[in-house]
Amino acid sequence: DVKVTQSSRYLVKRTGEKVFLECVQDMDHENMFWYRQDPGLGLRLIYFSYDVKMKEKGDIPEGYSVSREKKERFSLILESASTNQTSMYLCASSLARAYGNTIYFGEGSWLTVV
Amino acid sequence: AQSVTQPDIHITVSEGASLELRCNYSYGATPYLFWYVQSPGQGLQLLLKYFSGDTLVQGIKGFEAEFKRSQSSFNLRKPSVHWSDAAEYFCAVLNHSSNDYKLSFGAGTTVTVRA
Repeated sequence: DVKVTQSSRYLVKRTGEKVFLECVQDMDHENMFWYRQDPGLGLRLIYFSYDVKMKEKGDIPEGYSVSREKKERFSLILESASTNQTSMYLCASSLARAYGNTIYFGEGSWLTVV
Repeated sequence: AQSVTQPDIHITVSEGASLELRCNYSYGATPYLFWYVQSPGQGLQLLLKYFSGDTLVQGIKGFEAEFKRSQSSFNLRKPSVHWSDAAEYFCAVLNHSSNDYKLSFGAGTTVTVRA
């Protein structure tokens, strides 16, 4: 089975802190994604990556950056956390040309910024 | 740009009753459509997907969905709901017209199952 692992399930951070959310997949997938989930808004794409060291902005990239130094790992970075970034963050991965392949999700990271 | 609308925010259904969740999409070409389910505190699990062919798609956990191009809809159904079906359900459309392959999600429908 494909496994997408988000190492931190629950985090509480202070305003202004730098926050790293880590995601690892074990199926050699080319594509990796970071989504943010908020009640009533569904999932919104923050950033995605098709290959190592490649990244593309999604629909809501402001206030976030990403890093993909290795194929299996995709990190989401909040340079200076703010309270409006309190949310559930979901990482996902898929093989290349995702329309022919399922996108798999991790269990999510709950971030609270106080 | 593609978009997905799930008109029902919350649905309550009795155990054993049938369930239908509505999904309407906006997409210029033939859509690639998905239904995902999210149990409390969990990530998303794929229920089923439609790319082409038979417009009635069977998925896991006894769910099915029907693609209707004329209505721009992809409604999810289950004939008899179990208490374990209480969850949030998301419809999504894949942008496959470029190299992006991005999923756009609806806002979700929360299903409550009463005994």
